Amino acid sequence: AQRVTQPEKLLSVFKGAPVELKCNYSYSGSPELFWYVQYSRQRLQLLLRHISRESIKGFTADLNKGETSFHLKKPFAQEEDSAMYYCALGGASGSRLTFGEGTQLTVNP
Amino acid sequence: DGGITQSPKYLFRKEGQNVTLSCEQNLNHDAMYWYRQDPGQGLRLIYYSQIVNDFQKGDIAEGYSVSREKKESFPLTVTSAQKNPTAFYLCASSISINQPQHFGDGTRLSIL
Repeated sequence: AQRVTQPEKLLSVFKGAPVELKCNYSYSGSPELFWYVQYSRQRLQLLLRHISRESIKGFTADLNKGETSFHLKKPFAQEEDSAMYYCALGGASGSRLTFGEGTQLTVNP
Repeated sequence: DGGITQSPKYLFRKEGQNVTLSCEQNLNHDAMYWYRQDPGQGLRLIYYSQIVNDFQKGDIAEGYSVSREKKESFPLTVTSAQKNPTAFYLCASSISINQPQHFGDGTRLSIL
């Protein structure tokens, strides 16, 4: 069975501080992992996926198969990063994405 | 402009009534999904469809029904059997079932 755990429902940091949103997954096969973001009054949108290995809006995420984690990181948080972030796991072909419960990030001035 | 359109944005229902939420996409995606978003509970999958004329129950299908008669449309009916229907409902689509999903703006359903 696929499972995604985001241990922090709420995360608050100050502007300019590093931020890490945690995501752990459970899956026996080869996973595909995604981070989605929902800014206030905007639709949920894909932020990044692990296979593209890119940095979006200063965020990066590395898949650690040993620790079964896909934490989202940014070295210097900005106020506009305040949003709800969801980690999602995709498995084998034919299986749907499984979303975590989300982490509400607040970046304080 | 390609995308997913959900309507209406706000919907009110009286006790005992069924209500249907619309979701249309022009992305030519095969898969479509309905989620319910409640504070503190994240996204919970109600129903999904991998292809036209086929759909499967998600994690919280009780009290809901769907149809997929056309590729671009995946309406969700909230029936009177759903005891706690007040929520924010999100529709999504993807090229195929395990690919990144594109989301609509959502419909907020409230009970009068």
